[in-house]
Amino acid sequence: AQSVTQPDIHITVSEGASLELRCNYSYGATPYLFWYVQSPGQGLQLLLKYFSGDTLVQGIKGFEAEFKRSQSSFNLRKPSVHWSDAAEYFCAVGARSGSNDYKLSFGAGTTVTVRA
Amino acid sequence: EAGVVQSPRYKIIEKKQPVAFWCNPISGHNTLYWYRQNLGQGPELLIRYENEEAVDDSQLPKDRFSAERLKGVDSTLKIQPAELGDSAVYLCASSVDSSANYGYTFGSGTRLTVV
Repeated sequence: AQSVTQPDIHITVSEGASLELRCNYSYGATPYLFWYVQSPGQGLQLLLKYFSGDTLVQGIKGFEAEFKRSQSSFNLRKPSVHWSDAAEYFCAVGARSGSNDYKLSFGAGTTVTVRA
Repeated sequence: EAGVVQSPRYKIIEKKQPVAFWCNPISGHNTLYWYRQNLGQGPELLIRYENEEAVDDSQLPKDRFSAERLKGVDSTLKIQPAELGDSAVYLCASSVDSSANYGYTFGSGTRLTVV
């Protein structure tokens, strides 16, 4: 079965500084990987996804993530954080559960606090 | 287009009472998911519908939880009777289909507090 580990429960970063959130996955085949963001009281919004091809993936809001198969990682990065980036971030792995469907499994999330 | 709409946003009930959550997915989305998100954790899948058929309900506690998706559009998730441990955010999501080509769109969730 697939699983996702987000080692950092909480990260505090200064506005304008860079941000990197770690994600490690466990899955026997080529995974589909996702990053979602959840602002307080809101649902999850998709930031970016990786299915295949270029291992550096660009997403919305200036985020990018890099898939590293050798490390089973899919870390999320942003060069310069804005106060509005304070939220909870979830990494997810999609595993095939049928001929053409897949099931998402989420990590426990990393809470990002941005200080002025 | 309107997103995934859930209601109510918040619900506080006493234990042993019934409760129901409603979800209206994005028009044209055939796949609908119900997730439960406990405090400090990621969402966990409860049930997945393809149109009106529940194709994956392996994680749904069937002794007290039930769900339906009549006519393959709106969906209702019910808990009867509720227990203290059911306090969580219940998220609904929809997708065009369950292939890997489309992402999920999540609603804002219903925060349930059982006292």
